[in-house]
Amino acid sequence: DQQVKQNSPSLSVQEGRISILNCDYTNSMFDYFLWYKKYPAEGPTFLISISSIKDKNEDGRFTVFLNKSAKHLSLHIVPSQPGDSAVYFCAASEGGGADGLTFGKGTHLIIQP
Amino acid sequence: GAGVSQTPSNKVTEKGKYVELRCDPISGHTALYWYRQSLGQGPEFLIYFQGTGAADDSGLPNDRFFAVRPEGSVSTLKIQRTERGDSAVYLCASQEGPLGGELFFGEGSRLTVL
Repeated sequence: DQQVKQNSPSLSVQEGRISILNCDYTNSMFDYFLWYKKYPAEGPTFLISISSIKDKNEDGRFTVFLNKSAKHLSLHIVPSQPGDSAVYFCAASEGGGADGLTFGKGTHLIIQP
Repeated sequence: GAGVSQTPSNKVTEKGKYVELRCDPISGHTALYWYRQSLGQGPEFLIYFQGTGAADDSGLPNDRFFAVRPEGSVSTLKIQRTERGDSAVYLCASQEGPLGGELFFGEGSRLTVL
């Protein structure tokens, strides 16, 4: 049973436009959420995180929004750049930290020139 | 080294054989995790070490899988009597301490069981 769901296996966005990646979760005990980015043949790298006490966190071109009542979070990338093409994983944990992360299946983002 | 190092990067073995995968975490990181990523899936948690002890091994799929971290640094994931379904990328990650924070992943060890 998937506790973290990324329902779009892939997403294609034109360079310069906004990319929006979505993630839903079912475990109401999750209180810390992260996004990881993965290039082929490399390990996932941390991108941005958000605690459940917030509804928004911004870091440069990347913003994560959290809607606790809907158990939904999204990652916005604006403007999208060719180097953003990668697989993005949504992850969640209980207890406020990053230990014991539960990952979604990932969304492959393709930025088209 | 600067990052998490995993060896081998690729391992091909025959069904029934024994395999060891090694992880060298970032120096000074006390927490270490093993994850498994099968094709088309996200990473799945296997085991978590805090120092030398396994704080949570609830993700190990069965007793063919075992991991050690005898000196609180390097960890070895051991798989006995490998099966074709064990084929996956095995990811190791380290974390500075037990209070949470970012996980730093290695590049993974790709295991193929023929």
